[in-house]
Amino acid sequence: GAVVSQHPSRVICKSGTSVKIECRSLDFQATTMFWYRQFPKQSLMLMATSNEGSKATYEQGVEKDKFLINHASLTLSTLTVTSAHPEDSSFYICSARSGLVEKTQYFGPGTRLLVL
Amino acid sequence: GENVEQHPSTLSVQEGDSAVIKCTYSDSASNYFPWYKQELGKRPQLIIDIRSNVGEKKDQRIAVTLNKTAKHFSLHITETQPEDSAVYFCAASKDASKLTFGTGTRLQVTL
Repeated sequence: GAVVSQHPSRVICKSGTSVKIECRSLDFQATTMFWYRQFPKQSLMLMATSNEGSKATYEQGVEKDKFLINHASLTLSTLTVTSAHPEDSSFYICSARSGLVEKTQYFGPGTRLLVL
Repeated sequence: GENVEQHPSTLSVQEGDSAVIKCTYSDSASNYFPWYKQELGKRPQLIIDIRSNVGEKKDQRIAVTLNKTAKHFSLHITETQPEDSAVYFCAASKDASKLTFGTGTRLQVTL
């Protein structure tokens, strides 16, 4: 149980285009999902927290107009990187939690984004 | 906000030896401390977690200890095997809020 999927696993795009990444909880309802960014050989940096049906809470320094997050259902959250630039190239990982009091986060497999 | 420090950044042990990774946290209100294992290019996998109402938890070759007074917690892996080689992250959170991750420890188990 507690499986989280992410799609696509890898994407290459041209500078200036937008990229959408999907995060799905496959066997549980995720009231909260988190989006992280990870640079090579570095730790996971939280970008934003999204609760189903409400606006995402962004961490300091993360541009909400550039990284659009939608959590429209209890099993799906999307991250859209708008007007992507080479510096946005990174490994993006989502995680999901099943309840408001549940502490355990289950991670998706990640999406490797390369912006040319 | 919470700050989590993790040491060492790299650790090399011989197969069969034990490995210990240590983390300290700053927010005394934190009460949940998971450990994740991440292989290259893969997702972080939860390997063990501890809550602040216990001091130690063990699962086969893996154990975690928590010292609330000193605000530090440690991961212990005994009888290490080559498949234990990976990057390990500690994390801390208060209640069910967001996790703050340590900087990671790259563990290499040599034959």
